[in-house]
Amino acid sequence: GAGVSQTPSNKVTEKGKYVELRCDPISGHTALYWYRQSLGQGPEFLIYFQGTGAADDSGLPNDRFFAVRPEGSVSTLKIQRTERGDSAVYLCASSLRRGSAQYFGPGTRLTVL
Amino acid sequence: GENVEQHPSTLSVQEGDSAVIKCTYSDSASNYFPWYKQELGKGPQLIIDIRSNVGEKKDQRIAVTLNKTAKHFSLHITETQPEDSAVYFCAAREDSSYKLIFGSGTRLLVRP
Repeated sequence: GAGVSQTPSNKVTEKGKYVELRCDPISGHTALYWYRQSLGQGPEFLIYFQGTGAADDSGLPNDRFFAVRPEGSVSTLKIQRTERGDSAVYLCASSLRRGSAQYFGPGTRLTVL
Repeated sequence: GENVEQHPSTLSVQEGDSAVIKCTYSDSASNYFPWYKQELGKGPQLIIDIRSNVGEKKDQRIAVTLNKTAKHFSLHITETQPEDSAVYFCAAREDSSYKLIFGSGTRLLVRP
């Protein structure tokens, strides 16, 4: 079956611009997670959704980052006033329910020039 | 909070040999430990996981062992093949939580 999909696969933007990254979870998965992976590091947690609500956004680095999941399926990670330090691979994962195994998408590589 | 350390950072083995990657965790409340394989340009792929009520789990050439007392767990790959070459990440999670805390990764190279 279809796995987690993310678009775009690559995004290049200029410092100060706004970007949106999209995640389509596995069908039927109620839990959705965003992680960020810097070069040579393991993924780091950003935010977790259970259904439509953000159950924990404690990993978001600052208020320039925001995420939504309005219908409990697709999620969008939004970054305002991008900075060069935001450059990383943004990974989305989904699980059938909280506590189930997490399955990752291919990621979006964000480059801020 | 939880902290996961992983070693070695790089591992080179001859095809057919075994490879072992080790991780330690700090939070005794953690009781779920997945392992992911990440190939270049791709997302992490879940290859095996273990819960703390089990000491060992096998799936074909892959096995994971867990020592709760010492707070460490290991990935064992037998009869390695060139296609096993990738970066492997361990992770830990409290069962009541949802965040995975990842190690820093091990780059495995299987020489043909």
